[in-house]
Amino acid sequence: SQQGEEDPQALSIQEGENATMNCSYKTSINNLQWYRQNSGRGLVHLILIRSNEREKHSGRLRVTLDTSKKSSSLLITASRAADTASYFCATVSQAGTALIFGKGTTLSVSS
Amino acid sequence: DGGITQSPKYLFRKEGQNVTLSCEQNLNHDAMYWYRQDPGQGLRLIYYSQIVNDFQKGDIAEGYSVSREKKESFPLTVTSAQKNPTAFYLCASSISSGLTDTQYFGPGTRLTVL
Repeated sequence: SQQGEEDPQALSIQEGENATMNCSYKTSINNLQWYRQNSGRGLVHLILIRSNEREKHSGRLRVTLDTSKKSSSLLITASRAADTASYFCATVSQAGTALIFGKGTTLSVSS
Repeated sequence: DGGITQSPKYLFRKEGQNVTLSCEQNLNHDAMYWYRQDPGQGLRLIYYSQIVNDFQKGDIAEGYSVSREKKESFPLTVTSAQKNPTAFYLCASSISSGLTDTQYFGPGTRLTVL
């Protein structure tokens, strides 16, 4: 199965700084989604970007997609301690019926 | 956690026993999914169901079984054939199994085999 791979695996920053995490995938996609998971909890959908979009914003989140490089990035601006969580990218192949998740980036924001 | 509930939150099982994890949704979603998450890993798809009375194997279905008798319910049974069942299990649903659909997740069940 194709899989998104997030980079870095772990990221530690101070409150107020920006956090950038990247996702690379292997095959053509229809869309790419980012999810957040607080420790020991279920995942929460953050944002979806379609293959014909290059950038999308939602509050303090900015997602970019470069289909030529098969990569996406998630930027969280002005981070807060409450942003501490794991972030996963997920892709849906053109032939698939379910999401394929990466291993995630664990973000730690200290005050 | 939306309108999806999973129970119990923690489950302990002795080796050789079957155990069933509950997943219920009140979102009127057609599609439901079961994932397994191991420490430091992403989610791996166990089974999914696009419609009532139909389900498909995911990437790691061996040792698991499911049923979809009602739209709102998608229980997962971890059988004694599953060699390493200790993990965090997540249930999700989506409006349909369309390629653009967002998935909504339950809070998860942590299964520990003693």
